[in-house]
Amino acid sequence: AQSVTQLGSHVSVSEGALVLLRCNYSSSVPPYLFWYVQYPNQGLQLLLKYTSAATLVKGINGFEAEFKKSETSFHLTKPSAHMSDAAEYFCAVSNFLAGGTSYGKLTFGQGTILTVHP
Amino acid sequence: DVKVTQSSRYLVKRTGEKVFLECVQDMDHENMFWYRQDPGLGLRLIYFSYDVKMKEKGDIPEGYSVSREKKERFSLILESASTNQTSMYLCASSLGGQAYGYTFGSGTRLTVV
Repeated sequence: AQSVTQLGSHVSVSEGALVLLRCNYSSSVPPYLFWYVQYPNQGLQLLLKYTSAATLVKGINGFEAEFKKSETSFHLTKPSAHMSDAAEYFCAVSNFLAGGTSYGKLTFGQGTILTVHP
Repeated sequence: DVKVTQSSRYLVKRTGEKVFLECVQDMDHENMFWYRQDPGLGLRLIYFSYDVKMKEKGDIPEGYSVSREKKERFSLILESASTNQTSMYLCASSLGGQAYGYTFGSGTRLTVV
């Protein structure tokens, strides 16, 4: 079964500083990986996804993530944090079931709350 | 853009009540999902449906049931609400296949008193 682990339930950065949110995955097959963002009292919004086309994936709001197979990682980065980036971020992996059926089901990490200080 | 609409943003119900949470999507997606979200526990799958009248249990189905009579609508039912079902409930839909990911609704914050 596929799984993801997000290292650090809370990350705090200063405005303008680098944002790095860590995600490691476990999968016996080539994974499809996703990052979602959730602002307070809202649903989740897709930031970016890796579907094996390119290892460096660019998403919305200046975020990007790099797929590293050797490290089983898919860390999310942004060069310069903005106050509006304060939110909870979720890494997810697409499930792959025996026989090829997946139904597009995702397994999510525990989430990382990003705080941005002025 | 695909839109997933959850009928209520906030609900307060009493212990023992039967509660219906409704979710509607407008892009003909095959698959629909119900998750609950609790602090420190992330998102946990309750049930999902891959076709009309078809459903599969997720990781935490106890105390819940679902209904999908039409492709666009997926309902979560709390048969007899309890205080430990106080949570944020998120509905999502997906075109299917591994590469698409989900489109989420805005969530329903349910409080059971």
